[in-house]
Amino acid sequence: ETGVTQSPTHLIKTRGQQVTLRCSSQSGHNTVSWYQQALGQGPQFIFQYYREEENGRGNFPPRFSGLQFPNYSSELNVNALELDDSALYLCASSLGLEETQYFGPGTRLLVL
Amino acid sequence: DQQVKQNSPSLSVQEGRISILNCDYTNSMFDYFLWYKKYPAEGPTFLISISSIKDKNEDGRFTVFLNKSAKHLSLHIVPSQPGDSAVYFCAASVQGGAQKLVFGQGTRLTINP
Repeated sequence: ETGVTQSPTHLIKTRGQQVTLRCSSQSGHNTVSWYQQALGQGPQFIFQYYREEENGRGNFPPRFSGLQFPNYSSELNVNALELDDSALYLCASSLGLEETQYFGPGTRLLVL
Repeated sequence: DQQVKQNSPSLSVQEGRISILNCDYTNSMFDYFLWYKKYPAEGPTFLISISSIKDKNEDGRFTVFLNKSAKHLSLHIVPSQPGDSAVYFCAASVQGGAQKLVFGQGTRLTINP
């Protein structure tokens, strides 16, 4: 059974650019959540998708947006990148809305 | 506003001894608590959880204690092993699920031989 995978592993962008990060859920998982982990901090909840619909959002501006596809894979899009967006972005999938989340290894984004 | 706090950035314990990691929270709406472990270059891995209706949950070498009146939880690892060296995150949620987690800053645990 394949776990949660994320791509790319590392990414460098410049301020003002746009970025798309990708996540493949663990087999059978219909719920995906995205978290941002700044250096020295714990992960911070961005949003959750359940069966292709957004199902909750943390304290992040609208330039952070997402998608979940019919195969339950997901994308995180960030527009107008700022220096403070530099972080590790983690994707987590689960069997349902109440179930334990399984995290991918993350994408490390550096904004210059 | 840090709703979940891990006040010890690091902890060093001798192999075979007990490791105790602590976590405090401020939001009384939290009703489900989890501990995750993270190795470098990997995502967090779920360890153990506890519902607010309990005060203790055990799984092998890992025990989580919850003190609701003090808004405090702790993770005990006995005996500590070198493979336990990692960053440990405490997390909390409302509505009883393991989702939309609020994480602490993490504690780096080092087990010395």
